[in-house]
Amino acid sequence: DAGVIQSPRHEVTEMGQEVTLRCKPISGHDYLFWYRQTMMRGLELLIYFNNNVPIDDSGMPEDRFSAKMPNASFSTLKIQPSEPRDSAVYFCASSLSDEGAWGETQYFGPGTRLLVL
Amino acid sequence: GDSVTQMEGPVTLSEEAFLTINCTYTATGYPSLFWYVQYPGEGLQLLLKATKADDKGSNKGFEATYRKETTSFHLEKGSVQVSDSAVYFCALSDPGTPLVFGKGTRLSVIA
Repeated sequence: DAGVIQSPRHEVTEMGQEVTLRCKPISGHDYLFWYRQTMMRGLELLIYFNNNVPIDDSGMPEDRFSAKMPNASFSTLKIQPSEPRDSAVYFCASSLSDEGAWGETQYFGPGTRLLVL
Repeated sequence: GDSVTQMEGPVTLSEEAFLTINCTYTATGYPSLFWYVQYPGEGLQLLLKATKADDKGSNKGFEATYRKETTSFHLEKGSVQVSDSAVYFCALSDPGTPLVFGKGTRLSVIA
């Protein structure tokens, strides 16, 4: 399997622009997670989906952030408008729930390094 | 709520030294415990896990034992290599809730 695929790997944009990050989870996985990692705040869970349905978006920092999962093989995280404080590495992860478990072992993508100038 | 506390880094060791990274947790239920590792420029990957008390997870020479009485899951390796330089995250999963990660501990191993 190719693992979790994220694109782009690097993104440099100017303040006020729209940014769209993309993720393809591992085939067959039913959970998908979006994280943000910064030096100051560490790893933060932004939102997660189960079977394409958003379950908890309480980690989304503000209304400028939105995430969608239109089908089992694709998700996007959008920031509009972007701000310099959004600069971070954004990770997508997926997992597979099985009997009695919740999908504990998460498989992370390589991340998108976002710089907002 | 659930939380994970792990030792502050960075940790710098010489090659072949013994490694311990402490991790303690607070959980309402009976969680599974994990160590994830992040190599430079990459995403996190599972290193080892344990799902019940006294279980020992092991992988690549790393070990950690689930200690319910001390709510701990310390990571150990007998002889570190330069290639072990990375950031290590302790995490827990309470059934029905997302993984909760610690802040990470950066390990640098020098030759």
